[in-house]
Amino acid sequence: EAGVAQSPRYKIIEKRQSVAFWCNPISGHATLYWYQQILGQGPKLLIQFQNNGVVDDSQLPKDRFSAERLKGVDSTLKIQPAKLEDSAVYLCASSLPRGRERGWGPSYEQYFGPGTRLTVT
Amino acid sequence: GEDVEQSLFLSVREGDSSVINCTYTDSSSTYLYWYKQEPGAGLQLLTYIFSNMDMKQDQRLTVLLNKKDKHLSLRIADTQTGDSAIYFCAALNQAGTALIFGKGTTLSVSS
Repeated sequence: EAGVAQSPRYKIIEKRQSVAFWCNPISGHATLYWYQQILGQGPKLLIQFQNNGVVDDSQLPKDRFSAERLKGVDSTLKIQPAKLEDSAVYLCASSLPRGRERGWGPSYEQYFGPGTRLTVT
Repeated sequence: GEDVEQSLFLSVREGDSSVINCTYTDSSSTYLYWYKQEPGAGLQLLTYIFSNMDMKQDQRLTVLLNKKDKHLSLRIADTQTGDSAIYFCAALNQAGTALIFGKGTTLSVSS
């Protein structure tokens, strides 16, 4: 089974520029998450989609960050304009809806992609 | 909101057992997780425990949950150099929509 794909893997931009990240979840996974992981910290949820609808975007800085999942599969996360403090790894994860997990029983298992490392100079 | 805390570093010798500890604040967290992150890689789910369990064993991994003290631990038996990584503890948030992660414990295994 193919894992969560993300691109690009690395991006360096100057502050005030724009950047976009792409994520392709595991086939059949209706739930998709974007996390921000600042160096030395654990991942923090930015936004969660269920199919193409937003479930939770309470921690997304909406003045500069936006995300979409138009057809309920791939998703893009955009930052415009970028600030120095946006330097982080952006992780995408996907999961089956709760109650439909296989194998391990009723766990709430998220599968993570390799992430995109963003450096803002 | 939920907060998850972990010690930042642990150093062990190859063949020894490693114990990584975690505390969380929200007693209503139903699922608690351990993830592993190797350099340049995403997070890999190692194991999880449901809140009505005290212990779960999976090969070299043992998870202990003390719900009264809101304390979770991960024991790795016969630690190998390939176990060197950052280990994250995570708790499912109250709404059941997202994971709240600790800052991670860096495990260093020397031969």
